[in-house]
Amino acid sequence: AQTVTQSQPEMSVQEAETVTLSCTYDTSESDYYLFWYKQPPSRQMILVIRQEAYKQQNATENRFSVNFQKAAKSFSLKISDSQLGDAAMYFCAYRSGPNFGNEKLTFGTGTRLTIIP
Amino acid sequence: DSGVTQTPKHLITATGQRVTLRCSPRSGDLSVYWYQQSLDQGLQFLIQYYNGEERAKGNILERFSAQQFPDLHSELNLSSLELGDSALYFCASSVSGRGPDTQYFGPGTRLTVL
Repeated sequence: AQTVTQSQPEMSVQEAETVTLSCTYDTSESDYYLFWYKQPPSRQMILVIRQEAYKQQNATENRFSVNFQKAAKSFSLKISDSQLGDAAMYFCAYRSGPNFGNEKLTFGTGTRLTIIP
Repeated sequence: DSGVTQTPKHLITATGQRVTLRCSPRSGDLSVYWYQQSLDQGLQFLIQYYNGEERAKGNILERFSAQQFPDLHSELNLSSLELGDSALYFCASSVSGRGPDTQYFGPGTRLTVL
């Protein structure tokens, strides 16, 4: 079974600075997908960014980017120019490849990010 | 707004009771997933339906059941409720469940069992 580990329960960053959230995973599969979801105080789960394991290029969405190291099974999220609205719980999630029936998301325990004004 | 709706937003009930949580997926999405978020267990996958059929099961208790109707909305039934069932229950949907499908989450139903 796949596992996802987020070793930083809490992180804080000064507004406008850059912060990196860590995620490692364990899998024997070669094809899979990785996600970062954000959960603000409203509790809504919001997709931040997605990475396909077969793609070598790291995904980027505006101020959010990932550092995907497949061999090391590492998938970190970098938030640039941090804003107050980025304050949330961030979850790393793993999903198996395109074999039908393996679409469940396996989540890490989350990292609570605080933005310091 | 993800386009996934869940009702009710909050539910307070007593131990031993039965409740039904409802989810309407995004327009065009055929797959529905249920997740439970609790303090001690984190976010856990419960069950997935695809176009009316059960597709995958996770850590779902026997007291819990779900179904997806012809109009693609889904219901999660929780019976013989225990204090430990108090949690936030999310529904998510995706187009098909294949490939790099993204799962979009609803706002959740917060269940409190007293």
